[in-house]
Formats: sequence, C-alpha cells, structure tokens
Amino acid sequence: QKEVEQNSGPLSVPEGAIASLNCTYSDRGSQSFFWYRQYSGKSPELIMSIYSNGDKEDGRFTAQLNKASQYVSLLIRDSQPSDSATYLCAVNNTGFQKLVFGTGTRLLVSP
Amino acid sequence: DTGVSQDPRHKITKRGQNVTFRCDPISEHNRLYWYRQTLGQGPEFLTYFQNEAQLEKSRLLSDRFSAERPKGSFSTLEIQRTEQGDSAMYLCASSPGGGSYQETQYFGPGTRLLVL
Repeated sequence: QKEVEQNSGPLSVPEGAIASLNCTYSDRGSQSFFWYRQYSGKSPELIMSIYSNGDKEDGRFTAQLNKASQYVSLLIRDSQPSDSATYLCAVNNTGFQKLVFGTGTRLLVSP
Repeated sequence: DTGVSQDPRHKITKRGQNVTFRCDPISEHNRLYWYRQTLGQGPEFLTYFQNEAQLEKSRLLSDRFSAERPKGSFSTLEIQRTEQGDSAMYLCASSPGGGSYQETQYFGPGTRLLVL
C-alpha cells in the first residue's frame, strides 16, 4: 500500500463546475496535510495546508480533512481553465520533516 | 524575487559524468530539502538540512549522491558517475525551521537533469 494515494486522473470538469480531488494516507501519525498545484514542467506551488479535522476555505479552494478516515480532499469551486494542472497531496508526520507525496491527480477544466 | 532559487535549470550530461546542483533557500529559512521527481510521479524526499546539519537521508540517496550546506546558507547536491536512471527533476525546498510541524515547504523551480 502506498503511503499517500491519489487517483491519477485525468479528472475532467467544465468551466464553472466544482472539481473534487481526493487523497488517502496510510500513516495514522500524520499531522500536516498540504495540497500543491504543479503545472507541466514547473515546480509544485502551495495551494492549501490543513492540520485539523474539518474544512478550511481560501477563496475558491476548500480543503477537507478527516483523520479518522485518513482522508483529505480539495474542492475547487468555479473551476477555470487556468486551474488545469496536476494537484499533489502531501503529508507530513510529526517528528519527521519530509513530505510524502501522492502521484498527483491531473485536472482538466474545459472552456 | 526572494523565493527559492536553483541553478542550473537544465543539465544534460553523459553517463558517468559528475554533476552538481545549487539551491539558494528563502532568506532566513533554516530548513532546506532536496526531492527528486520523475515523470508521472510525485516528488520523493532525498535529504534535508537544519542549518548546516544534514539530519535525514533517504535510502534513495545512494553513495553516488552527496549533499552539503556549508554555513547553513545555500546547498549543493552532487551526483557522481551519473546513470540514465538519475534523469529527473531535482527540486529544492525550504521552510522556516521554527520547530512546529505546521511548516510549509516552498519549492524552487527545479533542475531538470537528462543523462544520455
């Protein structure tokens, strides 16, 4: 079992729709959760971080965390073609500084 | 721009040659990380520094790889006797290093290595 799992996609949504990206993790000791966006050929760019169970909203983005289910998600409202990218879920365990990444979900937003 | 910088951005080398990459972290960030990313995969952790001390190394970091961070500022990653399997994007990230697990790592633009 991979430590962090994501559906590779592509996830295709029309412009203006809500895109829902999901991630599961195996280490129950994980404390910090991050979503990064990565455009083709570029480096990861932080979108959201979340540390507590529940929802965290930032503009069009909402991160959701459920530690009991070991599940974290990212919702993108009013999706735009410029949101088309690969979204990486990353997890950090207390006491360990490294981030463990999933393989990423490719999102395609069509005009 | 005060973000993480990396040099070079692209490197093409022949198998068996040595290569060295440089990373300059965000000013005053104490922690510096190296990751490697291959096509279709997420970044994989290689090593990290707290100031000048290298505190963790991945098993991915074979004996051909060495990283340094003299004086706790910039860092270098050297790959000796490169192999075609070393072809990847090498990413550097930095974080403040204040001790909290709630630390965000900020990534540089990466160095894309191609070993022929």
